Amino acid sequence: EAGVAQSPRYKIIEKRQSVAFWCNPISGHATLYWYQQILGQGPKLLIQFQNNGVVDDSQLPKDRFSAERLKGVDSTLKIQPAKLEDSAVYLCASSLVAGWGINEQFFGPGTRLTVL
Amino acid sequence: DAKTTQPPSMDCAEGRAANLPCNHSTISGNEYVYWYRQIHSQGPQYITHGLKNNETNEMASLIITEDRKSSTLILPHATLRDTAVYYCIVVAASNTGKLIFGQGTTLQVKP
Repeated sequence: EAGVAQSPRYKIIEKRQSVAFWCNPISGHATLYWYQQILGQGPKLLIQFQNNGVVDDSQLPKDRFSAERLKGVDSTLKIQPAKLEDSAVYLCASSLVAGWGINEQFFGPGTRLTVL
Repeated sequence: DAKTTQPPSMDCAEGRAANLPCNHSTISGNEYVYWYRQIHSQGPQYITHGLKNNETNEMASLIITEDRKSSTLILPHATLRDTAVYYCIVVAASNTGKLIFGQGTTLQVKP
């Protein structure tokens, strides 16, 4: 079974530039998550999709971050404009279902973003 | 969701059992205990979860105290590949699936 795919693996940009990350979840997984992991910290949820609808985006800085999940499969996360504090690893995860104690999430390898 | 407390770091000798504690004294009846680990430069990986009963799979055993206020993840024969950050997370049954990661425990397995 193929895992969660993410690209690119690494990205270096200058502040105020824009950047986009792509995620392809495990086939058949209805729920997709984007997490931000700053060095030395645990991952923090940015946004959660159930199929192509947003379930939780309470931690997403909406003035600069946006995400979409077209057709309930692939997803893109965009930052525009980037700030120095956005330097982090961006992790995508998917799960078959969400809630009711069933919460095995499968994570991709992440995209390491460096903002200079 | 209930907060968890874990030691920041632990060492374990290769081949010995690694016992990773987690305190979740404010856990409520409908909240599960989940364990994930994150090996360096990889995404987190699910290990196990439990509600009341102890759980064992090919990776580890989860022991939950009778009052459910704490738990221990046991890696019976730790190998160098088990070196990772281990996260204990409490998740409500009605939760949307959101995982709230703390700092976790960095387990260093030494030869």
